[in-house]
Amino acid sequence: EVQLLESGGGLVQPGGSLRLSCAASGFTFTTYAMSWVRQAPGKGLEWVSVISGGGSNTYYADSVKGRFTISRDTSKNTLYLQMNSLRAEDTAVYYCAKAIKGTVTKNFFDYWGQGTLVTVSS
Amino acid sequence: EIVMTQSPAILSVSPGERATLSCRASQSVSSNLAWYHQRPGQAPRLLIYDASTRATGIPARFSGSGSGTEFTLTISSLQSEDFAVYYCQQYNNWPPLTFGGGTKVEIK
Repeated sequence: EVQLLESGGGLVQPGGSLRLSCAASGFTFTTYAMSWVRQAPGKGLEWVSVISGGGSNTYYADSVKGRFTISRDTSKNTLYLQMNSLRAEDTAVYYCAKAIKGTVTKNFFDYWGQGTLVTVSS
Repeated sequence: EIVMTQSPAILSVSPGERATLSCRASQSVSSNLAWYHQRPGQAPRLLIYDASTRATGIPARFSGSGSGTEFTLTISSLQSEDFAVYYCQQYNNWPPLTFGGGTKVEIK
């Protein structure tokens, strides 16, 4: 059974940093691209970042480019999102999502974690 | 960036009735279109991909159609668990991957 378990969310001040983790199980981690998708309170879904199965290709939404870094540790079957220079508008539930193939193009998501809440406020 | 527009924003339907949701892309996405639903407090769940293929475990009452820029999700007979928010997502040209703004299906 595929499972994705996010952690690392919490309250952080504007300008601060946070690292989210997503522990994956039930599938061969290196075979599939992984993504982060966020949802601001009461709003829709916003794609944040993607990393290829092998970890060599990464892409970011313009809204987070230069501030967020996606990575994966294949020895721990864990996906990460390092978030720096956080802003109030980054407040959201962050979901990790498993793509259906290893490359980043023409991909969608067949499994999602339950999400972790990040609140950026002073 | 491809903009996805869903309509209506809110759809009021009685249990057992048919629901039809629309999704429009600002440029052609071929058939590279997925549908998800999200119940309150839960993560999104994949319903349809490649515009018309049901994901594993999705009941036959859900069907998708369309290609290019116009897409439709139809729920033939709404069950209580189907009242949720529905999102379309294009994956033809990305990054960035883009979602529609959602359609909330509520009980009439």
